[in-house]
Amino acid sequence: GESVGLHLPTLSVQEGDNSIINCAYSNSASDYFIWYKQESGKGPQFIIDIRSNMDKRQGQRVTVLLNKTVKHLSLQIAATQPGDSAVYFCAEKGNFGNEKLTFGTGTRLTIIP
Amino acid sequence: EPEVTQTPSHQVTQMGQEVILRCVPISNHLYFYWYRQILGQKVEFLVSFYNNEISEKSEIFDDQFSVERPDGSNFTLKIRSTKLEDSAMYFCASTPSRETQYFGPGTRLLVL
Repeated sequence: GESVGLHLPTLSVQEGDNSIINCAYSNSASDYFIWYKQESGKGPQFIIDIRSNMDKRQGQRVTVLLNKTVKHLSLQIAATQPGDSAVYFCAEKGNFGNEKLTFGTGTRLTIIP
Repeated sequence: EPEVTQTPSHQVTQMGQEVILRCVPISNHLYFYWYRQILGQKVEFLVSFYNNEISEKSEIFDDQFSVERPDGSNFTLKIRSTKLEDSAMYFCASTPSRETQYFGPGTRLLVL
């Protein structure tokens, strides 16, 4: 069955350093991927997305990389700040009218001041 | 910036009681969703709704669950007879385009 998983459940990074959060997915038919940030007690907040016809997309301080060959997704956060501390989820969406997002288990990122 | 809103933020109920969770999606969005997140676990899809009907639902979304868009702004999730295992955060989401889904802040449901 389809699943989206994360390699590391926790990650601690020194403030100002770059961080990389990884995600593996198993549904090769998925055509759209999103990274969400979730702070304690809040809903998932959209960070960045990427379609399967791309392998890289950049936003403000964030970059998402997609490797379809090995079904791997990563989120790079540059120059981390204390406000980046949160749980990060990758999510995938299938094609052919499939509506749902399938979420991974999440990585807790802690920025050390 | 427009946001998805949800009420109440917290709901405590007795097992067997009915609850209605309410959501106001972003105004120009056409696709609406409910997800839930049991404490410490990942977010799970429940149901999607478009053009006044369910377009997809998960195995979790059994006969105890129903959704409704009673007017032009609200989107509700009803649980007819709550069970202990229904305790979770419930998130509403909406999108204009069947891609990026924007989530509300959630309703924390506790069934006693």
